[in-house]
Amino acid sequence: KQEVTQIPAALSVPEGENLVLNCSFTDSAIYNLQWFRQDPGKGLTSLLLIQSSQREQTSGRLNASLDKSSGRSTLYIAASQPGDSATYLCAVRGSGGSYIPTFGRGTSLIVHP
Amino acid sequence: GAVVSQHPSRVICKSGTSVKIECRSLDFQATTMFWYRQFPKKSLMLMATSNEGSKATYEQGVEKDKFLINHASLTLSTLTVTSAHPEDSSFYICSAWRDTSYEQYFGPGTRLTVT
Repeated sequence: KQEVTQIPAALSVPEGENLVLNCSFTDSAIYNLQWFRQDPGKGLTSLLLIQSSQREQTSGRLNASLDKSSGRSTLYIAASQPGDSATYLCAVRGSGGSYIPTFGRGTSLIVHP
Repeated sequence: GAVVSQHPSRVICKSGTSVKIECRSLDFQATTMFWYRQFPKKSLMLMATSNEGSKATYEQGVEKDKFLINHASLTLSTLTVTSAHPEDSSFYICSAWRDTSYEQYFGPGTRLTVT
């Protein structure tokens, strides 16, 4: 059974810092990995989707990397802003035919001015 | 990007009543939709997979008679919480599976409060 762990659980940083959020998974046989953002009381917004054959994806100040063999993904946020404050969730989809993703518990990020 | 809506966004109901939550894919057809439940500061817990035209597949521990799911069309799935109790209070999120891109698109969620 796939297990997804996100570290740290919570993070508070001053504006402008570069951040790294970590996601690890136990079964490396994945189809893809997706990073989401969730604002309080809201649904999920997809940030980046990395297919199993890819090493990284970039969107603006966000960069996500994938190391399938070691079961790890990182989400890099450059020059953090208060508007980045949210919970970031990592979801892993297995390659065994089921497209139901397994979610981590998220990293709660606060960027203060 | 693809859009998924949920209605209502918030609902308060009395214990013992039933509540229906709608999930719609607005610009694509979704043969499969998912219903999740999220507790405060917890991750998403998959409740069931909703398949258009057939019965939903429930995850272990989720009562199918308690949480009725109907996926009557390619753009609409509904979750009905029957005889709601305070412990059913939670944030319910649906998602729709887009076959063409192998991605899930999430709705904005519904906050259910049972008094």
